[in-house]
Amino acid sequence: DSGVTQTPKHLITATGQRVTLRCSPRSGDLSVYWYQQSLDQGLQFLIQYYNGEERAKGNILERFSAQQFPDLHSELNLSSLELGDSALYFCASSALPGSPNQDIQYFGAGTRLSVL
Amino acid sequence: DAKTTQPPSMDCAEGRAANLPCNHSTISGNEYVYWYRQIHSQGPQYIIHGLKNNETNEMASLIITEDRKSSTLILPHATLRDTAVYYCIVSLSGNTPLVFGKGTRLSVIA
Repeated sequence: DSGVTQTPKHLITATGQRVTLRCSPRSGDLSVYWYQQSLDQGLQFLIQYYNGEERAKGNILERFSAQQFPDLHSELNLSSLELGDSALYFCASSALPGSPNQDIQYFGAGTRLSVL
Repeated sequence: DAKTTQPPSMDCAEGRAANLPCNHSTISGNEYVYWYRQIHSQGPQYIIHGLKNNETNEMASLIITEDRKSSTLILPHATLRDTAVYYCIVSLSGNTPLVFGKGTRLSVIA
């Protein structure tokens, strides 16, 4: 168990809909990362938050957005869903620089999104 | 794009050492080599990382060549549970986004 919790585990929805994926990082971790894993693109970084602020942005579509709340949990919002958005979405967290294991990202079990 | 090159697949007999190579010829002096693995469709799992010295932990050993252009991950006694995709990643730190390549699919065979 990595200590990172993602909900829901599975999500089935239709094209054009909007969904929200939730991530609770390990206790005390300030950084949260979102990654997408699809069959054709592999594992790709989407976005990183650090203590509520956006820290880095990757290949995240404009239809996608994220935020990190004061309690440090994060949500990834996916809207106007398309068939191609079907993928595994992983959240990871890492510790504050200077902390033990600061160089490790801990991944959750993922949310499997199926867009029909 | 990933800055590493790995063989797409490898087999290893159970109980033998698994040696997974990685080329990272464009690595910068301050970049680390990280290894993660993904068992089936689970979340990636950290294995080990290093800068220039060889490293060992309870899971594996990491051997980095002197010129730092390549490295080898060693699983000393592979078990069936080590069957996974192994990713070699070059990164400035663990607190920056990871760039995953295609990795090496290791199959441990009984």
